[in-house]
Amino acid sequence: AQSVTQPDIHITVSEGASLELRCNYSYGATPYLFWYVQSPGQGLQLLLKYFSGDTLVQGIKGFEAEFKRSQSSFNLRKPSVHWSDAAEYFCAVAPAASGTYKYIFGTGTRLKVLA
Amino acid sequence: DADVTQTPRNRITKTGKRIMLECSQTKGHDRMYWYRQDPGLGLRLIYYSFDVKDINKGEISDGYSVSRQAQAKFSLSLESAIPNQTALYFCATSDRQPFGNEQFFGPGTRLTVL
Repeated sequence: AQSVTQPDIHITVSEGASLELRCNYSYGATPYLFWYVQSPGQGLQLLLKYFSGDTLVQGIKGFEAEFKRSQSSFNLRKPSVHWSDAAEYFCAVAPAASGTYKYIFGTGTRLKVLA
Repeated sequence: DADVTQTPRNRITKTGKRIMLECSQTKGHDRMYWYRQDPGLGLRLIYYSFDVKDINKGEISDGYSVSRQAQAKFSLSLESAIPNQTALYFCATSDRQPFGNEQFFGPGTRLTVL
């Protein structure tokens, strides 16, 4: 069965420190991959996506993610975290086939940033 | 103006009441979705619609129904609300292929069933 795992429920980092949020998926073929951020009281905003091509993807707000096929991973990184990055982050996958529609979401990682 | 809007943003209701959550979009997308978010469970798909005449159940459709009144409007109904339907509900839209798969989310409706 298809699944997405975000192994870290909570992560706390100091402002200015680097960040890596983990995402692993289980799927028969390479899916489309996404990272969304949900700020408190807000909806989900797309940070970045991977469809094909370069496995290092740049997104908004200084985030990047690297697709590693051999590890079935799509980890999100940021070199220097800002206090405004405190939010919940969701990894999602969608089958890469025509007529696809279904996102499978991970359970989320809540990021706390210390001043 | 927001591309995907949801009304109400917050709602408290009682067990057994019928409630409708509404979603409207100005993105011109054909596809619309309803999700619920529960702490520790991420988002789960309730229903989705590819166009006005095409409505499909998601993974957790029991206890819910939907109506696609127009391309831009997709409503979610709880016919007889129960406390375990207390959750944050999101509407989303996406374009058809090849631009599909990126979904755009509304701000959410927080529903509490007492």
